[in-house]
Amino acid sequence: SSELTQDPAVSVALGQTVRITCQGDSLRSYYASWYQQKPGQAPVLVIYGKNNRPSGIPDRFSGSSSGNTASLTITGAQAEDEADYYCNSRDSSGNHPRVVFGGGTKLTVL
Amino acid sequence: EVQLVESGGGLVQPGRSLRLSCAASGFTFDDYAMHWVRQAPGKGLEWVSGISWNSGSIGYADSVKGRFTISRDNAKNSLYLQMNSLRAEDTALYYCAKDMGYDILTGYTLDYWGQGTLVTVSS
Repeated sequence: SSELTQDPAVSVALGQTVRITCQGDSLRSYYASWYQQKPGQAPVLVIYGKNNRPSGIPDRFSGSSSGNTASLTITGAQAEDEADYYCNSRDSSGNHPRVVFGGGTKLTVL
Repeated sequence: EVQLVESGGGLVQPGRSLRLSCAASGFTFDDYAMHWVRQAPGKGLEWVSGISWNSGSIGYADSVKGRFTISRDNAKNSLYLQMNSLRAEDTALYYCAKDMGYDILTGYTLDYWGQGTLVTVSS
């Protein structure tokens, strides 16, 4: 099955810009979706498709993609953005429908 | 308001079975694919299974294939996960999640999640 690889941890100074990346072969065929998860809470969708934000997600969150790498960018990170971030996409290998998640990136806002 | 409420979790011995349920409201349930995603304590998200709007397409992670069965009852706005031959490594918080689309052959974006139900497999 396909895998999605994320850096385990990233840090950013308050108000600065941070990029969280996700790598995998399936990303050559599918856009990544991105989820934010805060401690003790369910994941929340923050980016999907080429660069779409669900209602209520601040516009400091944006997405991009190139080759086998998808990126989530937070421009002007806020303290409340400290969370775990996960990417996902379809599993492009095999004939059976499957979904795959990255291992997650813990974002620390300094 | 979309709501997904999971139930059925608990403590179960290895090798036994458990059935999870997810009650959906606030949207037209039979227009969307649905998924189960789990998270072991302190670990990341793992997709478990998905089912299309009409149960026509179903998928499973390799880790649960042959042991777990996903199903849905559109008349009851409910999603289920029958878990058999449970193992210690199945211990996790199980989330029910709504797909943005109707078919798991193309969908993977999960726009609403429940709060999860905890399954603990231990003797």
